[in-house]
Amino acid sequence: KAGVTQTPRYLIKTRGQQVTLSCSPISGHRSVSWYQQTPGQGLQFLFEYFSETQRNKGNFPGRFSGRQFSNSRSEMNVSTLELGDSALYLCASRAGFPYEQYFGPGTRLTVT
Amino acid sequence: AQSVTQPDIHITVSEGASLELRCNYSYGATPYLFWYVQSPGQGLQLLLKYFSGDTLVQGIKGFEAEFKRSQSSFNLRKPSVHWSDAAEYFCASLGGTGTASKLTFGTGTRLQVTL
Repeated sequence: KAGVTQTPRYLIKTRGQQVTLSCSPISGHRSVSWYQQTPGQGLQFLFEYFSETQRNKGNFPGRFSGRQFSNSRSEMNVSTLELGDSALYLCASRAGFPYEQYFGPGTRLTVT
Repeated sequence: AQSVTQPDIHITVSEGASLELRCNYSYGATPYLFWYVQSPGQGLQLLLKYFSGDTLVQGIKGFEAEFKRSQSSFNLRKPSVHWSDAAEYFCASLGGTGTASKLTFGTGTRLQVTL
């Protein structure tokens, strides 16, 4: 069974721009979560989607948003990029609760 | 709010030596606990998990972890470390219920293996 895939793997954007990241979960997994990883803040939860509905949200500004499609694929959008948004963005999927989450390779976003 | 603490930021061991990485959690209810490993520039790979039952759990790559409720700990161990084990290790707990759940991670322990 294929793992979690994320595209693109690397991205360079300019401050003020917006960006969309994509995540395809493991087949059959209906839950997708997003995490931000930075050297200073570590791994932080952004949000979780289940059956196209956001079920949980972390402590991030409204510039960070997401959505999930009927095929469980998910996208994350960051508007008005700031230098501090430079990070590794990780997507994870799971079959349900409390099953384990499986992570994708991440998208490395650099904001200049 | 739940929290996960990994007291050791960096650990160096010799190849062939035993390893123990510490993890302490803070959560009122029965915790669901995990250990993940991350190689540079990569995503997180699940090593093992604890949900309930036997407090000693076995994982991949020869790792095991022991859940001790009295000490609020979930330490990761390996009897003999290989050079390929050099990576960053994260302990995490799953909080919330059902679909409104999230992983809370520790700050990670970077493992260096000397030959």
